[in-house]
Amino acid sequence: GEDVEQSLFLSVREGDSSVINCTYTDSSSTYLYWYKQEPGAGLQLLTYIFSNMDMKQDQRLTVLLNKKDKHLSLRIADTQTGDSAIYFCAERTANRKLIWGLGTSLAVNP
Amino acid sequence: EAQVTQNPRYLITVTGKKLTVTCSQNMNHEYMSWYRQDPGLGLRQIYYSMNVEVTDKGDVPEGYKVSRKEKRNFPLILESPSPNQTSLYFCASSPGGRYEAFFGQGTRLTVV
Repeated sequence: GEDVEQSLFLSVREGDSSVINCTYTDSSSTYLYWYKQEPGAGLQLLTYIFSNMDMKQDQRLTVLLNKKDKHLSLRIADTQTGDSAIYFCAERTANRKLIWGLGTSLAVNP
Repeated sequence: EAQVTQNPRYLITVTGKKLTVTCSQNMNHEYMSWYRQDPGLGLRQIYYSMNVEVTDKGDVPEGYKVSRKEKRNFPLILESPSPNQTSLYFCASSPGGRYEAFFGQGTRLTVV
């Protein structure tokens, strides 16, 4: 069935790079998304990548997509304490359904 | 400012007492949806709407109703809430239904 998996926790030091990984099972995915949820807030769309792309860069964020392995990653350069949040990976399938991962909680230590 | 507004932010109610959580967006988006977020289960879609008077079930629609009489509003109705509907609820909207572009701040509902 359709599934999106992420590791639950990641801890990094301030100033280091963070890499959050995601794997998905549906090969018919059209778009893949990264959302950020800060405590007590709704989800915020960070970035997305079309399934025929390998990489997308947006300021400190780099998204890498390996379609063969169905693996998506989000790299945050120069991680700051304000980046502490839960990051969700989501996949839009060909039938327009959105499949969500459970989220990766990123802790940034000073 | 572009936003999705949910009300109330927090609600404690008793089993069986009908309630409505409102959702309003000011971006003229066609697509709106409701999610619930539960620990260990992530985000699950309850209902969605592609446009006015067009609604459809998501993954967990049981016990919920929605309506879309106007483009900007998409209320979530719990006719007879039960404790298993205690959850954090989010409304979202987008211009074309390709992704959930904007989320509301969430409504934390407790049913006792």
